[in-house]
Amino acid sequence: DAGVIQSPRHEVTEMGQEVTLRCKPISGHDYLFWYRQTMMRGLELLIYFNNNVPIDDSGMPEDRFSAKMPNASFSTLKIQPSEPRDSAVYFCASSPRVPNTEAFFGQGTRLTVV
Amino acid sequence: GEDVEQSLFLSVREGDSSVINCTYTDSSSTYLYWYKQEPGAGLQLLTYIFSNMDMKQDQRLTVLLNKKDKHLSLRIADTQTGDSAIYFCAEFLSRTNKLIFGTGTLLAVQP
Repeated sequence: DAGVIQSPRHEVTEMGQEVTLRCKPISGHDYLFWYRQTMMRGLELLIYFNNNVPIDDSGMPEDRFSAKMPNASFSTLKIQPSEPRDSAVYFCASSPRVPNTEAFFGQGTRLTVV
Repeated sequence: GEDVEQSLFLSVREGDSSVINCTYTDSSSTYLYWYKQEPGAGLQLLTYIFSNMDMKQDQRLTVLLNKKDKHLSLRIADTQTGDSAIYFCAEFLSRTNKLIFGTGTLLAVQP
């Protein structure tokens, strides 16, 4: 398996535009997590899915953020409209059934909103 | 609470031992982890410890867990320049199935 694959690696967009980040988890992993990393706030859990179902989205900052997992091999995180304060590195991670022993992280998407 | 705290920065000389500390607040943690993040990369799991253990050793890495004080440490023996990175501790909360990360410690290894 190639690991968790995220795309794009880098995204630069103008304020107000819609941004879609994509993630392909490791095959067979039941859990998928979206994290955001910034200098000020560190690594924050935004949302996680179990078997494609959103379980906890309490970390999603506001209604401009939405996440979907239409099937076991694909998830998206969408920001609409984007704002400069959304600039961060967004990580997707997947893990096997709980009890969890390891979360495998993607390389991240560096988002810059200008 | 779900806070995980770490010191922000640690500087050591090559060949010395490094000790990175972490404190957590949630007693329902079942697994505790140490992740490493190199510049421009994602997080990579280094090691983990189950909450009913006090110590785990894995080559140059030693993890100590004091469950009473909710304190976790990572010792890296014979630290090398390639160990320079940000180190995150994380706790897995079984009651919520969440993996909560600390603030990260930047380890700088001086040659």
